[in-house]
Amino acid sequence: KNQVEQSPQSLIILEGKNCTLQCNYTVSPFSNLRWYKQDTGRGPVSLTIMTFSENTKSNRRYTATLDADTKQSSLHITASQLSDSASYICVVSLTSGTYKYIFGTGTRLKVLA
Amino acid sequence: NAGVTQTPKFQVLKTGQSMTLQCAQDMNHNSMYWYRQDPGMGLRLIYYSASEGTTDKGEVPNGYNVSRLNKREFSLRLESAAPSQTSVYFCASSADRDRVLWEQFFGPGTRLTVL
Repeated sequence: KNQVEQSPQSLIILEGKNCTLQCNYTVSPFSNLRWYKQDTGRGPVSLTIMTFSENTKSNRRYTATLDADTKQSSLHITASQLSDSASYICVVSLTSGTYKYIFGTGTRLKVLA
Repeated sequence: NAGVTQTPKFQVLKTGQSMTLQCAQDMNHNSMYWYRQDPGMGLRLIYYSASEGTTDKGEVPNGYNVSRLNKREFSLRLESAAPSQTSVYFCASSADRDRVLWEQFFGPGTRLTVL
């Protein structure tokens, strides 16, 4: 069964600190992996996307890594800011099949001053 | 550009009532989607429309109907609302459903409560 699991479920950190969120997937056939940021009361917004051949992708203070062999991805947030408080959702896309996008349940991040 | 817009933002229904959630996009996208988001679960696909004039069931279509009115608009209808349909509903669009490298853009969501 195609699944995307994220950890931790929730995380609290102090402003300025770094953190890493994890995503493990059992999805086949794999096309790409995307990280979304979802602010409270809003729709998800794409942060990064990586294909099978990419190991890392950065977007400002967000750096995503992908290990296609172990089927793991991480999202590293550097020098966190209060505005980073949100849910971060890992989404894996398939190359074929009816349901092309498999969503993780998300990690809820809270950044405290 | 407004992107993807949804109305209403909030709605409370009684069991058995009907309502239609509206969605529109101004990005000239071919594909549109309806998802629901429940606590502790990932977004689940209700229905999608790969192009104007076509609609297909997703993972959780029971209790819902959709209409792709034109290229811009994709509505979701609850004919007889049930408490199990209490959720946050998101509409999304993408240029092409089969080219998954192309980003899905999401609307702000509709928070629906069924009493």
